[in-house]
Amino acid sequence: SAVISQKPSRDICQRGTSLTIQCQVDSQVTMMFWYRQQPGQSLTLIATANQGSEATYESGFVIDKFPISRPNLTFSTLTVSNMSPEDSSIYLCSVEETGGSPLHFGNGTRLTVT
Amino acid sequence: QKEVEQNSGPLSVPEGAIASLNCTYSDRGSQSFFWYRQYSGKSPELIMSIYSNGDKEDGRFTAQLNKASQYVSLLIRDSQPSDSATYLCAVRGNDYKLSFGAGTTVTVRA
Repeated sequence: SAVISQKPSRDICQRGTSLTIQCQVDSQVTMMFWYRQQPGQSLTLIATANQGSEATYESGFVIDKFPISRPNLTFSTLTVSNMSPEDSSIYLCSVEETGGSPLHFGNGTRLTVT
Repeated sequence: QKEVEQNSGPLSVPEGAIASLNCTYSDRGSQSFFWYRQYSGKSPELIMSIYSNGDKEDGRFTAQLNKASQYVSLLIRDSQPSDSATYLCAVRGNDYKLSFGAGTTVTVRA
């Protein structure tokens, strides 16, 4: 399966600041998604990163708070903007290599907002 | 997102026993079903996928799917301490998005 590199692996940020998370895949993939996993909870889909166009956001997530880029078929970024302690979470990049194939995940970014 | 429910844990089993994990889903149009294993502090890792009714075996893991009952399960045979992890059921609906259950934490006692 594709090798997914996500960085940073962790960060501690002050409230009001922004953090951009990068996701690089070693091969072209059909779909890229961003998930959030809050402490002790399961995964929640934030958005689908669309190549060359605006991301598709799930209910409860908005572009102003979580701007996403996907300039090509191997790279995407997620920015967490104007952070608050409630944004402390693990953010996961995931990819679907071909249509209908299972998702594979990057190693995640553990974000702590103080 | 669609509802995916897993049996509440934690589940504690002795080494060598069978661990049985259950999952139900609400979207009758769902077509693809997956089980992920997540060790503490790590990202989810795919262990099984199943697409049609019946059983699918891979080593010590068996996934079972019953679309009429909207039910999917995972059996872990000959459980090992290394199987101690949280197991996530994931379901893909017709909108291609994956919805995850809350997870069941399994502890295998040596």
